[in-house]
Amino acid sequence: DAKTTQPNSMESNEEEPVHLPCNHSTISGTDYIHWYRQLPSQGPEYVIHGLTSNVNNRMASLAIAEDRKSSTLILHRATLRDAAVYYCILRGAGGTSYGKLTFGQGTILTVHP
Amino acid sequence: DAGVTQSPTHLIKTRGQHVTLRCSPISGHKSVSWYQQVLGQGPQFIFQYYEKEERGRGNFPDRFSARQFPNYSSELNVNALLLGDSALYLCASSSVLAGSPETQYFGPGTRLLVL
Repeated sequence: DAKTTQPNSMESNEEEPVHLPCNHSTISGTDYIHWYRQLPSQGPEYVIHGLTSNVNNRMASLAIAEDRKSSTLILHRATLRDAAVYYCILRGAGGTSYGKLTFGQGTILTVHP
Repeated sequence: DAGVTQSPTHLIKTRGQHVTLRCSPISGHKSVSWYQQVLGQGPQFIFQYYEKEERGRGNFPDRFSARQFPNYSSELNVNALLLGDSALYLCASSSVLAGSPETQYFGPGTRLLVL
């Protein structure tokens, strides 16, 4: 599986935007970029995914570099409920990847009131 | 609709015992995956089942086994428990097999402590 690299931790203030970076220099042409987050004492939850173009949903935006070797998860206005571990994950579009999500260490996001 | 449910929520066992963890997927989901999350680390993939067949297996010893039932619920079995098996065990369900970037929905997990 292609590897992702994320900062161990980031901090933000409430109501401010947060940009969470992810490097994936060995990404293949068919790998999707997924983001999941895990709130304290909960299972991971899906945030957003994309392939080449930037994506927006009600939770966040995903900005993907033109060469696809990096991406940024954008939380437009952080709230205290966004404090979580954020995982950037590459997923192949079939073959032997099946349902496997390969989690790294993730980025621990702390949001200050 | 109910999300993914797992039982029990917590479990304490001693070394050498075996354990069975259960998972009920979201209604209509045919794929179930199991993950192990040791404290301070990201979840590690153990198994995926789709339509009652094993479709993927992570790097775990044969002490770990699983199965999926006709109603798509699943059990994870761990034999000869070791202290290192202490972890949060997560179940995730999705509607399709990989081939599309389907979202995986996770349950709250079962926290297993091996003494």
